[in-house]
Amino acid sequence: KQEVTQIPAALSVPEGENLVLNCSFTDSAIYNLQWFRQDPGKGLTSLLLIQSSQREQTSGRLNASLDKSSGRSTLYIAASQPGDSATYLCACSIYNQGGKLIFGQGTELSVKP
Amino acid sequence: EAGVTQFPSHSVIEKGQTVTLRCDPISGHDNLYWYRRVMGKEIKFLLHFVKESKQDESGMPNNRFLAERTGGTYSTLKVQPAELEDSGVYFCASSQEAPWTAGPGNEQFFGPGTRLTVL
Repeated sequence: KQEVTQIPAALSVPEGENLVLNCSFTDSAIYNLQWFRQDPGKGLTSLLLIQSSQREQTSGRLNASLDKSSGRSTLYIAASQPGDSATYLCACSIYNQGGKLIFGQGTELSVKP
Repeated sequence: EAGVTQFPSHSVIEKGQTVTLRCDPISGHDNLYWYRRVMGKEIKFLLHFVKESKQDESGMPNNRFLAERTGGTYSTLKVQPAELEDSGVYFCASSQEAPWTAGPGNEQFFGPGTRLTVL
């Protein structure tokens, strides 16, 4: 059974710092992995999608990497801003288990001005 | 382009009553998913439609939950009768392609969710 873990559960950093959020998964047979952001009381916003055959994806100040052999993905945020404060979720879909995403519990990020 | 929309945004009902949640996916997206987050837990999958067919309903908790997608457009999720443990946030998501088709079309886009409270 696939399990997705995100550490730390919460993170507080000063504005301008570069930071890394971690996601680990137990079953490396995945189709893809998505990173999402959720603001309080809102839905999920898709940030980056990494296919199984890819090693990383970039969008603006965000870079996500995927290492299937070690069961890890990281989300790198450069030059963090107060507007980056939110909960970040990773989720992956598994071979032969349909299209469903398996989610981690999320990392709550606070960027202090 | 409009995103995934859900209605209502909030619903408060008494135990034993019936509630119907609606999801309108992004136009042209054949794949529609329902997920749920209960208090303090991670988001969990409920079911997956491909057009009007149920591809995977392995996450449905019990037979009090009924999902439909008539005509392959919008979907409804009915809970009848509602129990206290059904409280949570229900999310709908859609994608153009399913995950086994490697490519950007399998990205899932989520709606804002419906917060259901059962008293």
